[in-house]
Order: sequence, then C-alpha cells, then structure tokens
Amino acid sequence: DTGVSQDPRHKITKRGQNVTFRCDPISEHNRLYWYRQTLGQGPEFLTYFQNEAQLEKSRLLSDRFSAERPKGSFSTLEIQRTEQGDSAMYLCASNRGGYNSPLHFGNGTRLTVT
Amino acid sequence: TQLLEQSPQFLSIQEGENLTVYCNSSSVFSSLQWYRQEPGEGPVLLVTVVTGGEVKKLKRLTFQFGDARKDSSLHITAAQPGDTGLYLCAGARPGGSEKLVFGKGTKLTVNP
Repeated sequence: DTGVSQDPRHKITKRGQNVTFRCDPISEHNRLYWYRQTLGQGPEFLTYFQNEAQLEKSRLLSDRFSAERPKGSFSTLEIQRTEQGDSAMYLCASNRGGYNSPLHFGNGTRLTVT
Repeated sequence: TQLLEQSPQFLSIQEGENLTVYCNSSSVFSSLQWYRQEPGEGPVLLVTVVTGGEVKKLKRLTFQFGDARKDSSLHITAAQPGDTGLYLCAGARPGGSEKLVFGKGTKLTVNP
C-alpha cells in the first residue's frame, strides 16, 4: 500500500490559464473521489468514479471543471480558464466502495490563482 | 445549509486538559467517520462508527455515535500537543449516494 499520491503538490497560475492535476489512487481501490477544501472549511465533494465511470458530479463542478479516469486507475482533474475563486486545496481520495468504507486521502494539490 | 454541524469551530487548551467536540445533524447517517488533518496534508481516518449508541476508544480518544445516528462526539482525555489538528466528521446518507459529506471541522490547538 503506497498510499494515494497527487501531483503537483503546489501550482501557481495566472487567471485565465488552464491547469491539470493528477491523482494515483491505491491500486486495489475501485472508487476515486475529488474534493476541494478552502481555508477554514471541510472538504467539499466534487465528483467520484467507480473504475472508469464517473458516477456523480457536484453542482460545485462548473463546466470549466472536467475529471477523467480513462483506464480506471489514475485520474486527472482539469480546470479551464481559472478564476481567483478556484484557489483551494484539491484533494483526491480512494476506497473500495460501500457506505462504511473509509477514504484514503492524498496530500492534495494547493492551487493559487493570481 | 451545512448537513453536518461541528462545534466548537476553534478550541485552544492546555496540555493535560480534557475536551469534547461535537458533530450534529438533523439527518440520519448510515455511519459517521472521524478524520484528523494536519496543515498541508490530507485527512487521515481515526474511526468509523456504524451502530446507534456505539462507543469506540482509540487510546485517549473516545468516539460515540448517537442512538438515532444523527450525531457523534469525540472526547479526548489528557490532551497532548500532538493532538493538535483539524478534526473532521463525515457521513454518508443511507439510501443515497455513497459519497461522504464533511463538516467544517474543529480546529484544536493543545498548548504545552
């Protein structure tokens, strides 16, 4: 179990630019989740996948956001035309699925939009 | 409206003191999970409580799930500086999506 890894750890970008983050989940986990966390808040759900299928998207996920998990392993989260309000920590997590299955989080990608 | 309300939002205490933090909702949850998060890191699971009235102990931490499965508490005995962090509760609604919904957390600081 090598844990969930996220890349990059930090990203600074100018408003209007596109950014892409990568998440590698724990290998035997078929569920992968993306959350966003701003200062002083708990993680807010964005979307999740079962294998390669995207099962749910939050209303927080505007049409500038897109997530993929093409082969059911790693996932990418892309934000197009970034805005200052997109500045946050983007957390990826994985688990085996089920109501009681705990989430294993990566250490996140900290995005700063200037 | 926040589905899971955590209180207090901030707590600063001296080493050796006891404390309790709360996670409340008007909704029923199939289970509640508690996580601890340190700055610059992702949350790490502490415990999952599943059965109404359940009590779980993890060294100096005691977790309780309310009888109606709408609320939970975390009690820390003889707090230590290493307990400092953001404590988050999270739950999944029965019969709905399996995604976890998080509270805003309690930021605990234990001063030496």
